[in-house]
Amino acid sequence: SQTIHQWPATLVQPVGSPLSLECTVEGTSNPNLYWYRQAAGRGLQLLFYSVGIGQISSEVPQNLSASRPQDRQFILSSKKLLLSDSGFYLCAWTDSFNQPQHFGDGTRLSIL
Amino acid sequence: GQQLNQSPQSMFIQEGEDVSMNCTSSSIFNTWLWYKQEPGEGPVLLIALYKAGELTSNGRLTAQFGITRKDSFLNISASIPSDVGIYFCAGTTSGTYKYIFGTGTRLKVLA
Repeated sequence: SQTIHQWPATLVQPVGSPLSLECTVEGTSNPNLYWYRQAAGRGLQLLFYSVGIGQISSEVPQNLSASRPQDRQFILSSKKLLLSDSGFYLCAWTDSFNQPQHFGDGTRLSIL
Repeated sequence: GQQLNQSPQSMFIQEGEDVSMNCTSSSIFNTWLWYKQEPGEGPVLLIALYKAGELTSNGRLTAQFGITRKDSFLNISASIPSDVGIYFCAGTTSGTYKYIFGTGTRLKVLA
C-alpha cells in the first residue's frame, strides 16, 4: 500500500533562517505531488505542485520554493523565513489527475 | 486563489442528530472529494465521487455529486463525539492538475 511521510512534525525557526521540509511517498511511482499551507482555522492554500522529476509549478508568489530531486521526494525550502511563513504545511500525492489526493500528517512551522 | 463555497461554516449539534453540509462552485467539476481533518493532522479522505448524480456511502456518511456538477452534499447520520473535526470538500476540473478546496465546516458534537 502507498504511504506518505512528512518531517519534521513540528519546527520552530527564527526569522531570517533557512527552511527545508521533506515529503516522501512510498508504494507508487510517478505520483503528482503537492504542497499546501493552512493557516490556523482556515482552508488549504496550494503552494506548489509537481507532475514529474524537476517539474515544479508555483501557485502564488512568495518566499518559498519547491524541488523534486527524485520521483517520490518533494522538498519545500526557503532561504530566509518571514513571520508570515508560519503555518501548517501539508504534502499530498495522487496517482493521476482526478483521483483523490492523500495527505501527510503535516509540519507545524512557527517563526519567532 | 479560487475556493469553493462550503456551508455551514460551523455546526454545534447534539449526539445522535443528523448533519448536512454542502459545497457549491461556479465551475463544473469532474470529481468531488470529501475529507475530514482533526487537530494537528492532515485531511483524511472520506468519500470520492466521479459522476453527476452519484450517491456514495461510507458507514454513517453519505455524499452526493450534484446533477449540475456544480455542487455536492455530505450527510452524517446519528452523529457521535468522534465525528468532531473540520470537513472539507474538494473538486477538480478538466485541464488542470489543481484541486480546489472548500473553506471547511467545523463540526462540534455535544454529548
